[in-house]
Amino acid sequence: DARVTQTPRHKVTEMGQEVTMRCQPILGHNTVFWYRQTMMQGLELLAYFRNRAPLDDSGMPKDRFSAEMPDATLATLKIQPSEPRDSAVYFCASGLTLRQGSIANTEAFFGQGTRLTVV
Amino acid sequence: GIQVEQSPPDLILQEGANSTLRCNFSDSVNNLQWFHQNPWGQLINLFYIPSGTKQNGRLSATTVATERYSLLYISSSQTTDSGVYFCAVGTRTGTASKLTFGTGTRLQVTL
Repeated sequence: DARVTQTPRHKVTEMGQEVTMRCQPILGHNTVFWYRQTMMQGLELLAYFRNRAPLDDSGMPKDRFSAEMPDATLATLKIQPSEPRDSAVYFCASGLTLRQGSIANTEAFFGQGTRLTVV
Repeated sequence: GIQVEQSPPDLILQEGANSTLRCNFSDSVNNLQWFHQNPWGQLINLFYIPSGTKQNGRLSATTVATERYSLLYISSSQTTDSGVYFCAVGTRTGTASKLTFGTGTRLQVTL
């Protein structure tokens, strides 16, 4: 059963604490996306990677957010320090971008999300 | 950036009814996907349809890329179809690529 796995599913933390969210992409996929969903903004792209290299993180607040791919089976999104306005559902998605293809053509498959609450 | 508008924003149907959801986009796109976000929050892929028509059971979708719109048809709706339906378009600007989501259509199917 190929699917994107995210952990934890739920996280409640106090303001100022570090939060780490993890994502295991579908085996064989070479592109990973991080999205955030809020009632006000909807689904927003935070960052994406191709072959583990960060290509675009312009959607992330740089001062507190960081995204990495230590290996092909793990992507992480960290927030340090966390703030109440970071409360949202964070989704990871993965896809297979063809060798000569563009990420804009990539079909994305989403994980179940991490619901983050910062109090 | 590209604008993605979905209509209607909300829809209430009785079980067994048919419906058409629309997605308009403001520029040419490389990719278009339809998703269903179920009441548990999971985003489920329905169609990858940059152009043409596809069918999967009671669902079908048509994208007319030259006219910048896509339609999702739901026939014989069931209560399990309830949730939010999103279209998302893939675009490339220079070296940057992006999948931009519409605001969604919230569907409620009643008995």
